[in-house]
Amino acid sequence: DAKTTQPPSMDCAEGRAANLPCNHSTISGNEYVYWYRQIHSQGPQYIIHGLKNNETNEMASLIITEDRKSSTLILPHATLRDTAVYYCIAGANSKLTFGKGITLSVRP
Amino acid sequence: NAGVTQTPKFRVLKTGQSMTLLCAQDMNHEYMYWYRQDPGMGLRLIHYSVGEGTTAKGEVPDGYNVSRLKKQNFLLGLESAAPSQTSVYFCASRDPGLVYEQYFGPGTRLTVT
Repeated sequence: DAKTTQPPSMDCAEGRAANLPCNHSTISGNEYVYWYRQIHSQGPQYIIHGLKNNETNEMASLIITEDRKSSTLILPHATLRDTAVYYCIAGANSKLTFGKGITLSVRP
Repeated sequence: NAGVTQTPKFRVLKTGQSMTLLCAQDMNHEYMYWYRQDPGMGLRLIHYSVGEGTTAKGEVPDGYNVSRLKKQNFLLGLESAAPSQTSVYFCASRDPGLVYEQYFGPGTRLTVT
């Protein structure tokens, strides 16, 4: 699996968009980018995944650069309940490798 | 649907004691996983199963054993607990057709003294 790099933390104001970056410069052609989040003390929750094209679902949007070396998870209207650790993972199989993730703090 | 449930939620063991953690899922998923999460760290895969009667080692399997006698259950055993196994244990399951969408349980907090 490709290594991913995320800043340790960021914050945003409630109601604003949260843009969470992820670097995966060594990603190979068959590896997907996927995101999970973990709200304090709970099990991780799947958010979204993508290969080349941008993806959107009811939770978030995933923007992948054309060279696939980085991506951004966008929460369009962050709420206090979105405060969590967000994990960016790059891989080609289902054995997830979680790094430390990015802690998103949504402030009122 | 209860989803993925884990029993117990909390446990304190003394060094050398044994215990079994139970994971159950009611989504008819073929694949099941056990992870551990240490403070400030991401999750690490212990063992996994791709179907009833099968198990395989993950990243950190030493000191643990698993069994998948029934499709809906995945058991994680500690034969002789050590303080290094103090952790939060998460179970997950997934449908074979949804490779990247795992469903996680609420976790078991284990302390070994």
